[in-house]
Amino acid sequence: EAGVTQFPSHSVIEKGQTVTLRCDPISGHDNLYWYRRVMGKEIKFLLHFVKESKQDESGMPNNRFLAERTGGTYSTLKVQPAELEDSGVYFCASSPNPGTDNEQFFGPGTRLTVL
Amino acid sequence: QKEVEQNSGPLSVPEGAIASLNCTYSDRGSQSFFWYRQYSGKSPELIMFIYSNGDKEDGRFTAQLNKASQYVSLLIRDSQPSDSATYLCAVTGGRRALTFGSGTRLQVQP
Repeated sequence: EAGVTQFPSHSVIEKGQTVTLRCDPISGHDNLYWYRRVMGKEIKFLLHFVKESKQDESGMPNNRFLAERTGGTYSTLKVQPAELEDSGVYFCASSPNPGTDNEQFFGPGTRLTVL
Repeated sequence: QKEVEQNSGPLSVPEGAIASLNCTYSDRGSQSFFWYRQYSGKSPELIMFIYSNGDKEDGRFTAQLNKASQYVSLLIRDSQPSDSATYLCAVTGGRRALTFGSGTRLQVQP
C-alpha cells in the first residue's frame, strides 16, 4: 500500500511569489490534515478535511493560505503571496474514517524556503 | 505554558538500556495520546498510541498514561542505535487535530 505522498519535496521561492503544495493521501482515507513546522518550533496543525469538506481550519495562519481538496482525493495548499515567515516544512497526514483510533500517517513533507 | 511539553534533550543512553521519554499536557480534556518517531529530515512515524490510564506494551515499547497527573511516557527497552531519533508526543481532544510537543532527541550510544 502506498503511503502519503507530497510534491514537491523542496521549493525555494521569493517573497511575494505563489507556491502550491500537493498531497496525495493513502487511498481510501477520508481524513486529510495539513501541518507545518517552522524552524525551531513544534509541528502545528493547519487544517483538516473530511473528504472534500473542511472540517477544521482553525490552524490556518491567515488568508494567504488556501487549501482545497476537490473530489475528496488529493489536496493542494496554496500560499499567495508568500512571506519570509512561511518558510518551514509542510506535512500532510491522512487517516481512515471512521477511524476511532485517529492514527494519522504522515507524508515526507515539503520544505518551503521563502527568500 | 505550552500545551504539550517535552524535554528537548538530548537524552543519551547506552545500547541495551531503557530509554524513558516523558511528556506532560495542559488540556485535561485530552483523550488520545500518541508517540511519533522522527528521524532527521524524515516524516513523523507513529509508534504507539494510548487512550486509557495505565500501560500499553508493543514489543520493546511501552506507553504509560496518567490522566490525573496529565503525564504520558514512552519506555524503550533494549535501546538500539537505530532508535536514535526525535520522539514527538502528540495529543488530541474533542477534535482530531494533533497537538505536538517539540520533541525529545534520543541518542543511543553503541
